[in-house]
Amino acid sequence: NAGVTQTPKFRILKIGQSMTLQCTQDMNHNYMYWYRQDPGMGLKLIYYSVGAGITDKGEVPNGYNVSRSTTEDFPLRLELAAPSQTSVYFCASKQQGDTEAFFGQGTRLTVV
Amino acid sequence: QQQVKQSPQSLIVQKGGISIINCAYENTAFDYFPWYQQFPGKGPALLIAIRPDVSEKKEGRFTISFNKSAKQFSLHIMDSQPGDSATYFCAARTGGYQKVTFGTGTKLQVIP
Repeated sequence: NAGVTQTPKFRILKIGQSMTLQCTQDMNHNYMYWYRQDPGMGLKLIYYSVGAGITDKGEVPNGYNVSRSTTEDFPLRLELAAPSQTSVYFCASKQQGDTEAFFGQGTRLTVV
Repeated sequence: QQQVKQSPQSLIVQKGGISIINCAYENTAFDYFPWYQQFPGKGPALLIAIRPDVSEKKEGRFTISFNKSAKQFSLHIMDSQPGDSATYFCAARTGGYQKVTFGTGTKLQVIP
């Protein structure tokens, strides 16, 4: 059972480039989330989804886009990379209720 | 605006001592309060969680104390061990869309 899988693990982007961070879960969870983690700032919610076809903004959505065409996949798109998007990105999924959110291993992104 | 405030930012405890991490929240819509543990290079993982109608929950060496009227909760790690050295995040969830808001994290170091 793979859980939540994120790719790539590391990436260096140049300013203005675009990329997609992939996230896949095999637990049939309805709820999926993207967080970014910056030193001393905890995890900030970027976008979340309550099911296929339904997404909504979190605390820090600017500069990002998401889609949820299937239950399993929740990709995060950066259109015009900026140095402020240098961070570690985590994808997570969970079931409804008092259940654990399972996190992927993270993607470390550097924008130069 | 930080919806979940966490302190201290870092903590050094001797082996066998008690580690205490505190959190406070404002949003009364939060209905579930998990704590996550994160080791370097890994995603956060659920440690223990509590609902606001319970004042205390204990699992092994880990105890959550919850004060609903003060809107505060804390994590106590008894008999702290070097293997407990990690970053700890308190969190709070709103029920409807299962959004989880994290504190800023506490880096715990347990020294032998």
